[in-house]
Amino acid sequence: SQKIEQNSEALNIQEGKTATLTCNYTNYSPAYLQWYRQDPGRGPVFLLLIRENEKEKRKERLKVTFDTTLKQSLFHITASQPADSATYLCALVLSNSGYALNFGKGTSLLVTP
Amino acid sequence: NAGVTQTPKFQVLKTGQSMTLQCAQDMNHNSMYWYRQDPGMGLRLIYYSASEGTTDKGEVPNGYNVSRLNKREFSLRLESAAPSQTSVYFCASSEGVGGRNQPQHFGDGTRLSIL
Repeated sequence: SQKIEQNSEALNIQEGKTATLTCNYTNYSPAYLQWYRQDPGRGPVFLLLIRENEKEKRKERLKVTFDTTLKQSLFHITASQPADSATYLCALVLSNSGYALNFGKGTSLLVTP
Repeated sequence: NAGVTQTPKFQVLKTGQSMTLQCAQDMNHNSMYWYRQDPGMGLRLIYYSASEGTTDKGEVPNGYNVSRLNKREFSLRLESAAPSQTSVYFCASSEGVGGRNQPQHFGDGTRLSIL
């Protein structure tokens, strides 16, 4: 079955450092991978989409890489701030379900001053 | 610009009661989705509507029904609520055209407890 795995342990880092989150997948050959942010009590918010041929994509302090050989995406937040504290979800298109997404369980990030 | 609006935000039901969760989007999106989110389980697809007039089952459809009332609205109904349906329910929408690279826009969820 198709699976998406994210580090279930919370990531605690100090303000100003770079946070790196990992997303691994199996039984997929995705053309796109998406990252979302979710704050407590809120719905997920789209952050970035990366295509299989892009390898790396940046948006302000965010950087995403996509290695289809390793079946892995890395999500980096540089110069992290306490406001970056949230749960980050990676997602791939769910097979045979229109454009619905299959989400990883998410990694909780806590940035401390 | 409201985006995706879900009502109600909170609800407590007794086992066996029925209710309908409402969802509306104002982005003229073609596709709409219902997910549930449980601790340790992540988001799971219940039903989706690829376009107005069509609905299809997702991963966990048992105990639910949906209606795509028009392009804007997509409702989720629990006919006979069970404690296993205690969850946070999210509605989402996407353009649904141009391939699978479209981001989804989520509402802020309905927190449903079934006693």
